Amino acid sequence: SQQGEEDPQALSIQEGENATMNCSYKTSINNLQWYRQNSGRGLVHLILIRSNEREKHSGRLRVTLDTSKKSSSLLITASRAADTASYFCATDESNFNKFYFGSGTKLNVKP
Amino acid sequence: NAGVTQTPKFRVLKTGQSMTLLCAQDMNHEYMYWYRQDPGMGLRLIHYSVGEGTTAKGEVPDGYNVSRLKKQNFLLGLESAAPSQTSVYFCASSYKRVSEHTQYFGPGTRLTVL
Repeated sequence: SQQGEEDPQALSIQEGENATMNCSYKTSINNLQWYRQNSGRGLVHLILIRSNEREKHSGRLRVTLDTSKKSSSLLITASRAADTASYFCATDESNFNKFYFGSGTKLNVKP
Repeated sequence: NAGVTQTPKFRVLKTGQSMTLLCAQDMNHEYMYWYRQDPGMGLRLIHYSVGEGTTAKGEVPDGYNVSRLKKQNFLLGLESAAPSQTSVYFCASSYKRVSEHTQYFGPGTRLTVL
């Protein structure tokens, strides 16, 4: 299975600190996406990074992709209590039609 | 514009019973997906559809059937529910190929099989 794996499984930080989550995957990909899930809710798309991109920014989010290491990282800068959620990476298996989700990083931002 | 909606929100079934989960989207999306999420885990793809009248198997299709008779609806059926199918089910849709487009998720259906 192509499924990505996030690391760490859980992360607890103070408001204002930066949070870094990592994702590793097994085979080649076309694109990688990051999603957020608030407790009891559906997932919300955060950012897409293509296999030929190395870094992408969106507001306080910074995503990097290293295809040689088959890994990606999500950095949330100046975290807020509202960032408390689970974060998932999703990869295709060079198959444009479906995704494989990792098990997620549960982020707790303490006010 | 409601996005992706799921019916019902909660359901309790006894082993062997059947049920259908309904997903509806009003964004004119071609692609639709059914996932299940078990505690502490990510989403696993059950079935998906790349257009009206088409369906395909995902990672964990056994015990489930789907139909996409109308572009806006994607139905997930459990013919004979088992306790292992206790999970939260999410429907999602995307405009075109999911690899290149955002997936929009419904709020989920929490299913318990006793």
